[in-house]
Amino acid sequence: EVQLVESGGGLVQPGGSLRLSCAASGFTFSSYEMHWVRQAPGKGLEWVSYIDSSGNTIYYADSVRGRFTISRDNAKNSLYLQMNSLRAEDTAVYYCAREGGNGYNFDYWGQGTLVTVSS
Amino acid sequence: QSALTQPASVSGSPGQSITISCTGTSSDVGGYNHVSWYQQHPGKAPKLMIYGVSNRPSGVPDRFSGSKSGNSASLTISGLQAEDEADYSCSSYTSSRSPYVFGTGTKVTVL
Repeated sequence: EVQLVESGGGLVQPGGSLRLSCAASGFTFSSYEMHWVRQAPGKGLEWVSYIDSSGNTIYYADSVRGRFTISRDNAKNSLYLQMNSLRAEDTAVYYCAREGGNGYNFDYWGQGTLVTVSS
Repeated sequence: QSALTQPASVSGSPGQSITISCTGTSSDVGGYNHVSWYQQHPGKAPKLMIYGVSNRPSGVPDRFSGSKSGNSASLTISGLQAEDEADYSCSSYTSSRSPYVFGTGTKVTVL
């Protein structure tokens, strides 16, 4: 069974940093592209970042480029999101999601971890 | 990259059919057959319902179908059931520097 479990969320002050983790199991993690997607309270989904299976190709949403860094450790079956210079508008539930084998979709999602940026 | 446009809400009675639209541009929905749809119940993670415009993953009821015409895609739920009450979001690959975009989301209510 495919499982994605996020951790690392919490309350952080504006300008602060946080590192999210996503532990993957039930599939060959090193063969799949991965994403981070977020959802602000009461709002729609927003794509955040993508990393290919080897970690060599990375993309970011304009809203986080230069502040967030996606990475992965295939030996540990883990995906990460380093978030710096956090703003109030970064407050959201952050989901890690696997890219489907057919590409260009998100076929499995974690349960999400809440990040709250507030003083 | 602007979010794809969806109606805020759609409603229908049990057994009826409803259609949710997802409008983008020639740089996203209209330019690629990479539209997907997600169902999300309150407090839960999204679930993939349709990929590649009209393909259903294993386990998704055939009451759910997808289509595309020009810069707009649609999700149709036939034979609406109480458990279909949820939020639905579309997503598309785009030609922009940020290669994925979601829709604004639609709340489906079963009357």
